[in-house]
Amino acid sequence: GAVVSQHPSRVICKSGTSVKIECRSLDFQATTMFWYRQFPKKSLMLMATSNEGSKATYEQGVEKDKFLINHASLTLSTLTVTSAHPEDSSFYICSAVYRGEDGYTFGSGTRLTVV
Amino acid sequence: DAKTTQPPSMDCAEGRAANLPCNHSTISGNEYVYWYRQIHSQGPQYIIHGLKNNETNEMASLIITEDRKSSTLILPHATLRDTAVYYCIVRVRSNTGKLIFGQGTTLQVKP
Repeated sequence: GAVVSQHPSRVICKSGTSVKIECRSLDFQATTMFWYRQFPKKSLMLMATSNEGSKATYEQGVEKDKFLINHASLTLSTLTVTSAHPEDSSFYICSAVYRGEDGYTFGSGTRLTVV
Repeated sequence: DAKTTQPPSMDCAEGRAANLPCNHSTISGNEYVYWYRQIHSQGPQYIIHGLKNNETNEMASLIITEDRKSSTLILPHATLRDTAVYYCIVRVRSNTGKLIFGQGTTLQVKP
């Protein structure tokens, strides 16, 4: 079946630094990927839609300069949290659309802790 | 996409059927009902989807009422590993559209 690999699974960084999270579709090509964030005991909140070869589309209220998304190939999308602050600490999850199925495939998530 | 309403939490005894309800009274004719679940600290997992007929796969069954205003996800023999948050999502079938999550139902399967 379709597999999405997300790295790293956990990362701790200092305030003011940037962190890059990778999302790879391992056995299929994904023209569209999605990025979510999730706070403890809350539901997933869609941050942006990542389209291969074009600019990402951000949801209302999401700072595009803070959360940089690059979808440079059909198998890789990256989310960079720039100048991270403690309030950016969260669980970040990516998903990709696999044309052979109706269900979206999700990565295993990245736990970001900013200290 | 139509909104959904789910109970915030439910308990189920191990080995028994878990029946998770979802209300979607404003569903449109071309919108499907999807179910996902999220086990703690993992990415969501697709379970099943349907339009108006009942559906069954190796994981679960989906029962959609005739007026399509509500549905029930059935896990026939719940195990401890089925403890998770279950999300009911209504949307137009598309391979590029957004997937918007509501609050879901936290299912606790107890021994």
